[in-house]
Amino acid sequence: GQQVMQIPQYQHVQEGEDFTTYCNSSTTLSNIQWYKQRPGGHPVFLIQLVKSGEVKKQKRLTFQFGEAKKNSSLHITATQTTDVGTYFCAGPRDSSYKLIFGSGTRLLVRP
Amino acid sequence: GAGVSQSPSNKVTEKGKDVELRCDPISGHTALYWYRQSLGQGLEFLIYFQGNSAPDKSGLPSDRFSAERTGGSVSTLTIQRTQQEDSAVYLCASSLAGVAYNEQFFGPGTRLTVL
Repeated sequence: GQQVMQIPQYQHVQEGEDFTTYCNSSTTLSNIQWYKQRPGGHPVFLIQLVKSGEVKKQKRLTFQFGEAKKNSSLHITATQTTDVGTYFCAGPRDSSYKLIFGSGTRLLVRP
Repeated sequence: GAGVSQSPSNKVTEKGKDVELRCDPISGHTALYWYRQSLGQGLEFLIYFQGNSAPDKSGLPSDRFSAERTGGSVSTLTIQRTQQEDSAVYLCASSLAGVAYNEQFFGPGTRLTVL
């Protein structure tokens, strides 16, 4: 069945270093969403990408949607301790209303 | 405005007991989702409600799980004869409409522990 995979599962960085998480779908996606879940918290929507090759920025966060609309990435420049959390990508299942969430990348930042 | 609320925030129960988890979506949101998140894991889709349409129950793991949504608003997830493997955080989310382009707003979750 349709799968959304994320790598790495876990990353520990020094504050100020960059961080990237990658999301890969087994099928073409109409759109992709990114969520952040702080430790002990609930997922919070960050952004949605719709167009092939789209790039969006939010301050130090850069999101990309692949040309084939099967992969996406989130890059954080100069991480801060406030970036700690798990980052999930999510894509619609079979173009329906249901989202398939990736397994998430847990980011830890050493101060 | 108010976000998605869930109650209780924590529930500890004994194996074999029934539990009810409640979700109050954002007013005006017609789509409501239930997910399960085990410790350190991703989100597992359970059930979806859209307006007055029949719910999509395809993610429910067994017939011990059921859910209803009254008046197109509040939803209750019921787990009968709880098992230890049911222990997880149960998250509810709502969105404006049941299309994959709409962002989902999550509640704080109910942490269920089955002893």
